[in-house]
Amino acid sequence: ETGVTQSPTHLIKTRGQQVTLRCSSQSGHNTVSWYQQALGQGPQFIFQYYREEENGRGNFPPRFSGLQFPNYSSELNVNALELDDSALYLCASSPDSNYGYTFGSGTRLTVV
Amino acid sequence: AQSVTQLDSQVPVFEEAPVELRCNYSSSVSVYLFWYVQYPNQGLQLLLKYLSGSTLVKGINGFEAEFNKSQTSFHLRKPSVHISDTAEYFCAVSALGRNQFYFGTGTSLTVIP
Repeated sequence: ETGVTQSPTHLIKTRGQQVTLRCSSQSGHNTVSWYQQALGQGPQFIFQYYREEENGRGNFPPRFSGLQFPNYSSELNVNALELDDSALYLCASSPDSNYGYTFGSGTRLTVV
Repeated sequence: AQSVTQLDSQVPVFEEAPVELRCNYSSSVSVYLFWYVQYPNQGLQLLLKYLSGSTLVKGINGFEAEFNKSQTSFHLRKPSVHISDTAEYFCAVSALGRNQFYFGTGTSLTVIP
């Protein structure tokens, strides 16, 4: 059973809209990362938060933003949705830097 | 930057036969290496990781991998596969201290009864 919960599991949005994806991590997991997995591809790193501050970002435009909250939950926000944003979005959290990451089951976003 | 190449996109294998899933990486700095498994409609589950020490790493479900620095490879092996091993397998690399994974494009393992 995974300790990382993502919501919603599926979502359909229209091009140009904004979306917020949510992730709830285990207590004590101070590090959270978000990944985008397009169909047939490996996950790509979007960004990482540690103790509510962004401390790493991949090659994604600023319309991808995030937040991490003191209760170990986090959000991924995407503005001005494009068709290519359709993907599985994965959240991963870790209690320390020893790479003990736990991945959630993801949110499947479809942009039409 | 780092990159990962998974040499086989699809690997069919008969049940109880051995399997090897190949992974090569590229990096200008020292890295950690990982294998993850993804079952349909699920997230990623860690199979094993190499951080330091012995180059032969044993993971869950009978899988093991060997880190070969000279060949920049981290191939995944299992001596006898089961139907339940059918899944997508991802190799990933992370530079020391970065906590950011670079994933390969995945290998789809299909176990044939």
